[in-house]
Amino acid sequence: EDKVVQSPLSLVVHEGDTVTLNCSYEVTNFRSLLWYKQEKKAPTFLFMLTSSGIEKKSGRLSSILDKKELFSILNITATQTGDSAVYLCASPNGGGGADGLTFGKGTHLIIQP
Amino acid sequence: DVKVTQSSRYLVKRTGEKVFLECVQDMDHENMFWYRQDPGLGLRLIYFSYDVKMKEKGDIPEGYSVSREKKERFSLILESASTNQTSMYLCASSLGPAGVPQQETQYFGPGTRLLVL
Repeated sequence: EDKVVQSPLSLVVHEGDTVTLNCSYEVTNFRSLLWYKQEKKAPTFLFMLTSSGIEKKSGRLSSILDKKELFSILNITATQTGDSAVYLCASPNGGGGADGLTFGKGTHLIIQP
Repeated sequence: DVKVTQSSRYLVKRTGEKVFLECVQDMDHENMFWYRQDPGLGLRLIYFSYDVKMKEKGDIPEGYSVSREKKERFSLILESASTNQTSMYLCASSLGPAGVPQQETQYFGPGTRLLVL
């Protein structure tokens, strides 16, 4: 059974801090790892990672994948209150591209002013 | 931009009622998915479809059925709603087909928060 585990489950930091969110996975026929940000509504897509060691960056957010150790991290620098959200990590199920995603339970990030 | 819409943001139904949740995507995506999201359990896959009239069970299909008569529309049906189906329901779509990572990225609708009394 495919598995995605995120840590920590929740995190409270102050504005301006840097945070690192963790995601480990055990997925048959691994193809990619996806990061989403979920505020009060639908998850919005952040990154897709397929190759080890190549950092994906978008503004203050960056992410990297380690296929040997089977994990990914999402970094947020100079955090702002608008970064408060649940961050989800997911991977396509091992059975083939039309299958769903296996999600981690998410990291609930709270940025205090 | 991919747009996935769901027919209702909030829905209140009574136990035993038949409930239809509708999802429409406007990007000609092959694959569509229904998830439910519950505190402490995360997102769990209910059903998915990779083509018109095709459907596959996900991890928790019991108590649900689906219909995909047109490519852009994927409906989730609760045949006889029960209180344990109170949840947030999320629809998603992806370009498809199998094995191409860029085409597997799923885009989500805004969600329907269903309360069954």
